Amino acid sequence: GDSVTQMEGPVTLSEEAFLTINCTYTATGYPSLFWYVQYPGEGLQLLLKATKADDKGSNKGFEATYRKETTSFHLEKGSVQVSDSAVYFCALTTPRAGNNRKLIWGLGTSLAVNP
Amino acid sequence: DVKVTQSSRYLVKRTGEKVFLECVQDMDHENMFWYRQDPGLGLRLIYFSYDVKMKEKGDIPEGYSVSREKKERFSLILESASTSQTSMYLCASSTLRLRQGIMYEQYFGPGTRLTVT
Repeated sequence: GDSVTQMEGPVTLSEEAFLTINCTYTATGYPSLFWYVQYPGEGLQLLLKATKADDKGSNKGFEATYRKETTSFHLEKGSVQVSDSAVYFCALTTPRAGNNRKLIWGLGTSLAVNP
Repeated sequence: DVKVTQSSRYLVKRTGEKVFLECVQDMDHENMFWYRQDPGLGLRLIYFSYDVKMKEKGDIPEGYSVSREKKERFSLILESASTSQTSMYLCASSTLRLRQGIMYEQYFGPGTRLTVT
C-alpha cells in the first residue's frame, strides 16, 4: 500500500544552519505531496505542496522538489531560525477512487534550533 | 481566514465516561477528519466524513464513533472512555475538487488534549 517514510528525529541545529529533512514515498499512480508543520501547542498547518513530478513547493524559506525518479520530497531550508523549531510531517494523497480524501502521513520529524 | 475550531483545548475525564469532542469548520468543506496524535506514532486517522450523515472508518476506529448532522460540524464520541484513549485529538477539514479528483490540503484545528484517569 501507499506509505511515507521520513527521517527520524529529533534534529538539533544551530541558528543559520542548513536543514534537510528526508522524505520518501511509495505510491501507485501520481500522488500529490505535502509538508505540514506543527508548532508547539498548535495544530498542523500546511507548509508547502507539489502536485506533479518536478514541481517545487516553497514557503517561508522552505523548499521541496517532487522527484518521481527517486520517489522523494525532501524538505530544505538554507538558514534556519529558532522560530522554525517544530515538528514537520510529510504526507501524500493519491487520486484513487475511495482513497482520494485521505492523507498518508509520515511519523513526523522534530526540529530544535538553538540560538 | 480559514478556521477550524475544537470545543476544548484540554479535557480531563474519568474511565467509563462518555466523551464528546466537537469540531466546527467555517469553510463549507465537504470532508472532515478526526485523528489522534501520540508520540512516536504520528497521526492516525480515526474516522472521516465526506458528506453530511456519511462516515468511513479510518485506521483505528475501535472505541470511537462519530456524528455529522450538519456540514460544518463533526463530532467524535468516546462511548466509554479508557486510559488508552488519553491522547491529543486533532480535527481537520478539506475540500475535494471533483473534476480533477484531487484532494486539496487539510486544515487543522488546534487540538484537544484529552486525559482519561
